[in-house]
Amino acid sequence: NAGVMQNPRHLVRRRGQEARLRCSPMKGHSHVYWYRQLPEEGLKFMVYLQKENIIDESGMPKERFSAEFPKEGPSILRIQQVVRGDSAAYFCASSRDRSGGSNGNTIYFGEGSWLTVV
Amino acid sequence: SQQGEEDPQALSIQEGENATMNCSYKTSINNLQWYRQNSGRGLVHLILIRSNEREKHSGRLRVTLDTSKKSSSLLITASRAADTASYFCATDALTAGNKLTFGGGTRVLVKP
Repeated sequence: NAGVMQNPRHLVRRRGQEARLRCSPMKGHSHVYWYRQLPEEGLKFMVYLQKENIIDESGMPKERFSAEFPKEGPSILRIQQVVRGDSAAYFCASSRDRSGGSNGNTIYFGEGSWLTVV
Repeated sequence: SQQGEEDPQALSIQEGENATMNCSYKTSINNLQWYRQNSGRGLVHLILIRSNEREKHSGRLRVTLDTSKKSSSLLITASRAADTASYFCATDALTAGNKLTFGGGTRVLVKP
């Protein structure tokens, strides 16, 4: 059973370009989460999606960032007109059911996509 | 402000010693989880402790949770060089929906 697959692992973009990060959840998982990690810091929640729906995007910057999780295919995190401050590791995670709650459903993380903006 | 804060930020020990790190949080939680991250890699789930549990063991790991003090500790016994990594606590707060809130991590170096 393959884990959460993210690609690309490393991405270099010039300022103003677009970055597109892909995440395929674990088999049987329909809940996807995106987190961002700046150097030497912990992960910060960005967005939670369930197939075709954005459930919680409270951590997403208001501009330039968007996420989708179509019925078919991977979840995509899209960053338009990248700036140097977008340089970070972007982690995707998935779970079978809604994470958290008293059941404590575990979420599983991918290996991350490291974005460098030059 | 951050929900989870780890202490210490960095820890250096000799192989065979125990490593203890702490996590404090601010709001009521459903559960608290600990993760390990090797440099340049993703997060590996170590252990989850529910709000009604006080202690949990998994191999060489021991996690405690004190909800009255809003704190948790992770103990790694008989550390190995392979335990060198960053360790993060993550809380699943009652009011946070489905978000995990991570602390800044403790960077552990185990010297052979």
